[in-house]
Amino acid sequence: QSVLTQPPSVSAAPGQKVTISCSGSNSNIGNNYVCWYQQFPGTTPKLLISENNKRPSGIPDRISGSKSGTSATLGITGLQTGDEADYFCGTWDSSLSAYVFGTGTKVTVL
Amino acid sequence: EVQLVESGGHLVQPGGSLRLSCAASGFSFGIYSMNWVRQAPGKGLEWVSHIISSSTTMYYADSVKGRFTISRDNAKNSLYLQMTSLRDEDTAVYYCARDAYWNFDLWGRGTLVTVSS
Repeated sequence: QSVLTQPPSVSAAPGQKVTISCSGSNSNIGNNYVCWYQQFPGTTPKLLISENNKRPSGIPDRISGSKSGTSATLGITGLQTGDEADYFCGTWDSSLSAYVFGTGTKVTVL
Repeated sequence: EVQLVESGGHLVQPGGSLRLSCAASGFSFGIYSMNWVRQAPGKGLEWVSHIISSSTTMYYADSVKGRFTISRDNAKNSLYLQMTSLRDEDTAVYYCARDAYWNFDLWGRGTLVTVSS
């Protein structure tokens, strides 16, 4: 059972915005950087956001990340059908001495 | 081309052993920490193990501690995962992932391990 909690699913119409929350604790999100990963069915995960809010090369600026306290948020604006995928947060947990992933959120474009 | 290619996954009986490999190319493998991450069918991502560039520090998920051993050979640009005492719940696609300060910025395509009698 993951220590990082995400909503199972979020949805919105094309062009709209979705936000995905990732809730943790002081031992993980509260004191470590958060990453976000995108995974299409049957494919390899891809790094979307590093260090809470940094976009790797090639990731569009309609993708954003933020962190406040023990929670992190991924935002996707201008939603496209190509954004339909699973999204996972991840961070180091200092108490567990382990990397932890969130439970995952499926994004659906209505 | 910058890539990671996993191999070694196949069907194994419970209690059996398996060694996975990950071949790196196109980048300076020896300066990066590396990880194994797995994904059971229809499930989310589960981190398995981490090894730093010099192999002096390793971390393991509680679910595999004492059964799995991570190692690397920088001269061969390769990462390994020795798995023993395999259980049904170890069935998953196993990915190797490059680690840039706990940002997993490069992933392989994965190799499927099936534990079943």
